[in-house]
Amino acid sequence: DAKTTQPPSMDCAEGRAANLPCNHSTISGNEYVYWYRQIHSQGPQYIIHGLKNNETNEMASLIITEDRKSSTLILPHATLRDTAVYYCIVRVVQAGGTSYGKLTFGQGTILTVHP
Amino acid sequence: DVKVTQSSRYLVKRTGEKVFLECVQDMDHENMFWYRQDPGLGLRLIYFSYDVKMKEKGDIPEGYSVSREKKERFSLILESASTNQTSMYLCASRPGTSGPWGAKNIQYFGAGTRLSVL
Repeated sequence: DAKTTQPPSMDCAEGRAANLPCNHSTISGNEYVYWYRQIHSQGPQYIIHGLKNNETNEMASLIITEDRKSSTLILPHATLRDTAVYYCIVRVVQAGGTSYGKLTFGQGTILTVHP
Repeated sequence: DVKVTQSSRYLVKRTGEKVFLECVQDMDHENMFWYRQDPGLGLRLIYFSYDVKMKEKGDIPEGYSVSREKKERFSLILESASTNQTSMYLCASRPGTSGPWGAKNIQYFGAGTRLSVL
Protein backbone atom coordinates (compact mmCIF):
# COMPACT_ATOMS: atom_id res chain seq x y z
CA ASP A 1 0.00 0.00 0.00
CA ALA A 2 1.23 3.46 -0.87
CA LYS A 3 2.30 5.65 2.03
CA THR A 4 0.09 8.59 2.95
CA THR A 5 0.91 11.82 4.72
CA GLN A 6 -1.66 13.87 6.62
CA PRO A 7 -1.34 16.92 8.84
CA PRO A 8 -1.48 15.87 12.50
CA SER A 9 -4.24 18.28 13.42
CA MET A 10 -6.69 20.83 12.01
CA ASP A 11 -9.32 23.14 13.38
CA CYS A 12 -12.59 24.14 11.81
CA ALA A 13 -15.44 26.42 12.85
CA GLU A 14 -18.86 24.86 13.11
CA GLY A 15 -20.88 25.34 9.94
CA ARG A 16 -17.83 25.93 7.77
CA ALA A 17 -16.31 23.49 5.32
CA ALA A 18 -13.54 21.27 6.63
CA ASN A 19 -10.93 20.42 4.00
CA LEU A 20 -8.62 17.60 5.02
CA PRO A 21 -5.62 16.98 2.77
CA CYS A 22 -3.79 13.74 2.13
CA ASN A 23 -0.59 13.26 0.19
CA HIS A 24 -0.02 9.94 -1.56
CA SER A 25 2.67 10.73 -4.09
CA THR A 26 3.68 7.08 -4.64
CA ILE A 27 0.18 5.86 -5.44
CA SER A 28 -0.01 3.29 -8.23
CA GLY A 29 -2.59 3.11 -10.96
CA ASN A 30 -4.75 0.43 -9.38
CA GLU A 31 -4.81 1.83 -5.85
CA TYR A 32 -7.93 3.42 -4.45
CA VAL A 33 -8.09 6.20 -1.88
CA TYR A 34 -10.24 5.47 1.18
CA TRP A 35 -11.20 7.73 4.04
CA TYR A 36 -12.31 6.63 7.47
CA ARG A 37 -12.82 8.49 10.69
CA GLN A 38 -12.87 7.52 14.33
CA ILE A 39 -14.77 9.47 16.90
CA HIS A 40 -13.38 9.15 20.40
CA SER A 41 -14.10 5.75 21.99
CA GLN A 42 -16.05 4.51 18.97
CA GLY A 43 -15.27 2.16 16.13
CA PRO A 44 -13.86 3.53 12.87
CA GLN A 45 -16.40 4.64 10.29
CA TYR A 46 -16.02 4.43 6.54
CA ILE A 47 -16.61 7.78 4.83
CA ILE A 48 -15.86 7.64 1.12
CA HIS A 49 -13.52 6.21 -1.49
CA GLY A 50 -12.38 6.93 -5.03
CA LEU A 51 -10.02 5.90 -7.78
CA LYS A 52 -9.52 8.99 -9.96
CA ASN A 53 -12.80 10.80 -10.27
CA ASN A 54 -14.18 13.13 -7.63
CA GLU A 55 -16.79 11.46 -5.48
CA THR A 56 -19.62 12.71 -3.29
CA ASN A 57 -21.93 10.96 -0.90
CA GLU A 58 -24.19 12.01 1.95
CA MET A 59 -21.27 12.41 4.32
CA ALA A 60 -18.53 14.10 2.30
CA SER A 61 -16.84 14.86 -1.00
CA LEU A 62 -13.53 13.49 -2.17
CA ILE A 63 -11.40 15.48 -4.56
CA ILE A 64 -8.50 13.61 -6.17
CA THR A 65 -5.92 15.58 -8.16
CA GLU A 66 -5.46 14.73 -11.79
CA ASP A 67 -2.06 13.14 -11.14
CA ARG A 68 -3.61 11.27 -8.18
CA LYS A 69 -0.74 12.22 -5.91
CA SER A 70 -2.97 13.94 -3.40
CA SER A 71 -6.59 14.16 -2.35
CA THR A 72 -8.83 16.27 -0.15
CA LEU A 73 -11.75 15.16 1.94
CA ILE A 74 -14.37 17.87 2.25
CA LEU A 75 -16.99 18.00 4.98
CA PRO A 76 -19.18 20.77 3.57
CA HIS A 77 -20.80 21.98 6.80
CA ALA A 78 -18.83 20.71 9.76
CA THR A 79 -20.64 20.09 13.03
CA LEU A 80 -19.32 19.43 16.52
CA ARG A 81 -20.06 15.74 15.94
CA ASP A 82 -17.49 15.70 13.14
CA THR A 83 -14.69 16.10 15.68
CA ALA A 84 -12.67 12.91 15.15
CA VAL A 85 -9.45 11.44 13.83
CA TYR A 86 -9.58 11.16 10.04
CA TYR A 87 -7.56 8.52 8.24
CA CYS A 88 -6.59 8.47 4.58
CA ILE A 89 -5.63 5.04 3.23
CA VAL A 90 -4.42 4.02 -0.19
CA ARG A 91 -4.60 0.42 -1.28
CA VAL A 92 -5.32 -2.02 -4.05
CA VAL A 93 -8.55 -3.94 -3.88
CA GLN A 94 -8.17 -7.23 -2.02
CA ALA A 95 -11.11 -9.21 -3.30
CA GLY A 96 -12.06 -12.54 -1.87
CA GLY A 97 -10.96 -14.15 1.31
CA THR A 98 -7.61 -12.98 2.45
CA SER A 99 -6.30 -11.46 5.61
CA TYR A 100 -4.33 -9.08 3.43
CA GLY A 101 -7.56 -7.13 3.47
CA LYS A 102 -6.75 -6.14 7.03
CA LEU A 103 -6.84 -2.44 7.72
CA THR A 104 -4.00 -0.43 9.18
CA PHE A 105 -4.22 3.22 10.04
CA GLY A 106 -1.47 5.79 10.10
CA GLN A 107 -1.53 8.69 12.53
CA GLY A 108 -4.38 10.48 10.75
CA THR A 109 -5.56 14.05 11.23
CA ILE A 110 -7.25 15.11 14.43
CA LEU A 111 -10.03 17.43 13.32
CA THR A 112 -11.47 19.64 16.02
CA VAL A 113 -14.68 21.48 15.17
CA HIS A 114 -15.31 24.37 17.53
CA PRO A 115 -18.43 26.47 18.07
CA ASP B 1 -26.93 0.63 5.83
CA VAL B 2 -24.50 -1.99 6.99
CA LYS B 3 -24.78 -2.74 10.63
CA VAL B 4 -22.13 -4.46 12.72
CA THR B 5 -23.20 -5.05 16.27
CA GLN B 6 -20.90 -5.95 19.11
CA SER B 7 -22.57 -7.49 22.12
CA SER B 8 -21.06 -5.26 24.79
CA ARG B 9 -19.63 -1.74 24.89
CA TYR B 10 -17.87 -2.21 28.20
CA LEU B 11 -16.75 -5.35 30.00
CA VAL B 12 -14.84 -5.88 33.22
CA LYS B 13 -13.42 -9.35 33.82
CA ARG B 14 -11.07 -11.03 36.25
CA THR B 15 -7.72 -12.54 35.37
CA GLY B 16 -8.15 -16.15 34.30
CA GLU B 17 -11.78 -15.84 33.25
CA LYS B 18 -12.92 -17.07 29.86
CA VAL B 19 -14.32 -14.13 27.90
CA PHE B 20 -16.61 -14.19 24.88
CA LEU B 21 -16.97 -11.20 22.58
CA GLU B 22 -19.75 -11.50 20.05
CA CYS B 23 -20.13 -9.72 16.72
CA VAL B 24 -23.04 -9.84 14.29
CA GLN B 25 -23.30 -8.25 10.84
CA ASP B 26 -26.44 -7.94 8.77
CA MET B 27 -25.07 -7.52 5.24
CA ASP B 28 -24.23 -11.09 4.30
CA HIS B 29 -20.53 -10.20 4.19
CA GLU B 30 -18.09 -13.04 3.71
CA ASN B 31 -15.13 -11.52 5.50
CA MET B 32 -15.05 -10.67 9.18
CA PHE B 33 -12.21 -9.37 11.33
CA TRP B 34 -11.31 -8.97 14.97
CA TYR B 35 -8.87 -6.20 15.84
CA ARG B 36 -7.62 -4.70 19.01
CA GLN B 37 -6.70 -1.04 19.30
CA ASP B 38 -4.29 0.33 21.85
CA PRO B 39 -2.91 3.87 22.22
CA GLY B 40 0.20 4.30 20.12
CA LEU B 41 -0.12 0.86 18.52
CA GLY B 42 -2.99 1.46 16.13
CA LEU B 43 -5.17 -1.35 14.83
CA ARG B 44 -3.78 -4.84 15.13
CA LEU B 45 -5.44 -7.84 13.53
CA ILE B 46 -6.14 -10.75 15.86
CA TYR B 47 -8.09 -13.10 13.60
CA PHE B 48 -9.80 -13.07 10.25
CA SER B 49 -12.56 -15.26 8.84
CA TYR B 50 -13.31 -15.52 5.14
CA ASP B 51 -16.26 -17.92 5.38
CA VAL B 52 -18.23 -20.03 7.79
CA LYS B 53 -15.89 -22.20 9.88
CA MET B 54 -12.87 -20.72 8.06
CA LYS B 55 -10.34 -18.60 9.90
CA GLU B 56 -6.83 -17.27 9.64
CA LYS B 57 -4.53 -16.00 12.33
CA GLY B 58 -3.74 -12.35 12.21
CA ASP B 59 -0.74 -10.57 13.62
CA ILE B 60 -1.41 -11.17 17.32
CA PRO B 61 -3.47 -14.38 17.78
CA GLU B 62 -1.78 -15.61 20.96
CA GLY B 63 -4.23 -15.95 23.82
CA TYR B 64 -7.27 -15.71 21.54
CA SER B 65 -9.46 -18.05 19.55
CA VAL B 66 -12.44 -17.45 17.29
CA SER B 67 -15.58 -19.15 16.14
CA ARG B 68 -17.68 -18.62 13.05
CA GLU B 69 -20.53 -21.12 12.95
CA LYS B 70 -22.87 -18.83 11.01
CA LYS B 71 -22.05 -16.32 8.31
CA GLU B 72 -23.37 -13.35 10.23
CA ARG B 73 -21.68 -14.09 13.55
CA PHE B 74 -18.01 -14.00 14.49
CA SER B 75 -16.99 -14.60 18.08
CA LEU B 76 -13.71 -13.81 19.78
CA ILE B 77 -12.74 -15.89 22.78
CA LEU B 78 -10.14 -15.06 25.39
CA GLU B 79 -9.37 -18.47 26.80
CA SER B 80 -7.89 -17.18 30.05
CA ALA B 81 -8.01 -13.41 30.30
CA SER B 82 -4.87 -11.59 31.34
CA THR B 83 -4.25 -7.96 32.23
CA ASN B 84 -2.33 -7.37 29.00
CA GLN B 85 -5.53 -8.11 27.11
CA THR B 86 -7.11 -4.97 28.47
CA SER B 87 -7.93 -3.10 25.28
CA MET B 88 -10.53 -1.83 22.84
CA TYR B 89 -11.74 -4.72 20.67
CA LEU B 90 -13.17 -3.95 17.26
CA CYS B 91 -15.09 -6.24 14.94
CA ALA B 92 -15.38 -5.44 11.24
CA SER B 93 -16.89 -6.99 8.16
CA ARG B 94 -16.33 -6.41 4.46
CA PRO B 95 -17.95 -7.70 1.29
CA GLY B 96 -14.98 -9.68 0.00
CA THR B 97 -16.18 -10.88 -3.36
CA SER B 98 -19.49 -9.13 -3.95
CA GLY B 99 -20.32 -5.59 -4.98
CA PRO B 100 -18.47 -2.91 -6.96
CA TRP B 101 -14.73 -3.40 -7.25
CA GLY B 102 -13.57 -0.49 -5.10
CA ALA B 103 -16.19 -1.23 -2.46
CA LYS B 104 -14.86 -4.72 -1.78
CA ASN B 105 -12.18 -3.22 0.44
CA ILE B 106 -14.54 -1.22 2.63
CA GLN B 107 -14.63 -2.41 6.20
CA TYR B 108 -17.59 -1.69 8.43
CA PHE B 109 -16.88 -1.60 12.11
CA GLY B 110 -18.87 -2.17 15.23
CA ALA B 111 -18.91 0.35 18.05
CA GLY B 112 -16.18 -1.53 19.89
CA THR B 113 -15.92 -3.32 23.22
CA ARG B 114 -13.71 -1.78 25.85
CA LEU B 115 -12.48 -4.69 27.92
CA SER B 116 -10.78 -4.27 31.26
CA VAL B 117 -9.12 -7.30 32.84
CA LEU B 118 -8.39 -6.87 36.51
